[in-house]
Amino acid sequence: KNQVEQSPQSLIILEGKNCTLQCNYTVSPFSNLRWYKQDTGRGPVSLTIMTFSENTKSNGRYTATLDADTKQSSLHITASQLSDSASYICVVSAYGNNRLAFGKGNQVVVIP
Amino acid sequence: GAVVSQHPSRVICKSGTSVKIECRSLDFQATTMFWYRQFPKQSLMLMATSNEGSKATYEQGVEKDKFLINHASLTLSTLTVTSAHPEDSSFYICSAKNDGTLVSPLHFGNGTRLTVT
Repeated sequence: KNQVEQSPQSLIILEGKNCTLQCNYTVSPFSNLRWYKQDTGRGPVSLTIMTFSENTKSNGRYTATLDADTKQSSLHITASQLSDSASYICVVSAYGNNRLAFGKGNQVVVIP
Repeated sequence: GAVVSQHPSRVICKSGTSVKIECRSLDFQATTMFWYRQFPKQSLMLMATSNEGSKATYEQGVEKDKFLINHASLTLSTLTVTSAHPEDSSFYICSAKNDGTLVSPLHFGNGTRLTVT
């Protein structure tokens, strides 16, 4: 079973609308959680990194939240743009080593 | 910001031939680089961790004799897919960290689309 589960697998939203992506993990002990944006056929680009002591972090229109107690994170996209169409990948790191657990990604399609 | 360059971006080769993929950190030194494979609509799967000046550490199930990794300098790691077969067709991505802290961001290359005919 994957240690990082993301939902929804895919979604379509209208340009200008907001959306929220979910990430649940079982990685333990927890070190940090990262959200990446991956455009089709490209490498992932870092959006946010949060440690257990941080419960929210923003990067422009992207806001990530973290609840280390429930092992849940969300990524909120505000006022979506067509360029937000991409896969958003949640990556969780275990404390004490460099190993990363990757989610399968949330595929977002923004339509005009 | 830190940039990782991956080359080539796309390659088509015949079954049985070998293909080399390069991963370069352009403006920082990377003692550790990572190689991943990604199938459509799937997670990135770590194949191996490449350490400068030493042998790579391969993940379980990854054949080290088939996927040769060389990390000869602090800015370059190469992945060679030897005797490629159609099932090796995939998207290969490298990443590098520019410091040793656990929270430093991973910088990814733009990937290499390998198609074996």
